[in-house]
Amino acid sequence: SQTIHQWPATLVQPVGSPLSLECTVEGTSNPNLYWYRQAAGRGLQLLFYSVGIGQISSEVPQNLSASRPQDRQFILSSKKLLLSDSGFYLCAWSVMGSHNEQFFGPGTRLTVL
Amino acid sequence: SQQGEEDPQALSIQEGENATMNCSYKTSINNLQWYRQNSGRGLVHLILIRSNEREKHSGRLRVTLDTSKKSSSLLITASRAADTASYFCAPSNDYKLSFGAGTTVTVRA
Repeated sequence: SQTIHQWPATLVQPVGSPLSLECTVEGTSNPNLYWYRQAAGRGLQLLFYSVGIGQISSEVPQNLSASRPQDRQFILSSKKLLLSDSGFYLCAWSVMGSHNEQFFGPGTRLTVL
Repeated sequence: SQQGEEDPQALSIQEGENATMNCSYKTSINNLQWYRQNSGRGLVHLILIRSNEREKHSGRLRVTLDTSKKSSSLLITASRAADTASYFCAPSNDYKLSFGAGTTVTVRA
């Protein structure tokens, strides 16, 4: 069966520090991968999606970047965090060629102080 | 934007009652999906209804879709305490799911 992992689960970082959040998927090949951010009490905002290694599409201009160095690995990064980067970051995957049902990871709670 | 907008924002019901929430969107879609999120957790896919479908059932869930009104509804019948969660609709046109702010459902024992 397929599983999706995210780490860390929680993170507290100072303003201006770098960020690296990792997401890995097991049990499937060539998945579509997604990064979302959820502000407190809000819906999810799609940040990045990827249909293959090295293929990243950005949805909104921001202080973040994403990379996909391996088929089932998706990394969210920042060189210098802003206060507004605080939120709940969710990684998700869907079957190659389909953007229907998405399977979400447990999320990372990021607090920037 | 095809972003879904759920209504009401919050709903409190007694265990055993039905819960109904609505979703509106603005552009054409291929399908519309509903997800559930328990507090502080990831989202779980509940049901997908295609643009050419009008109603779909899955267990205690019933989803309707009216593309002429650009609206959908999710009905949870015979609610249980475990149904306490936030529910999101996500209209989809291609790769992108556009989530609204959700409906927070509280089921009282």
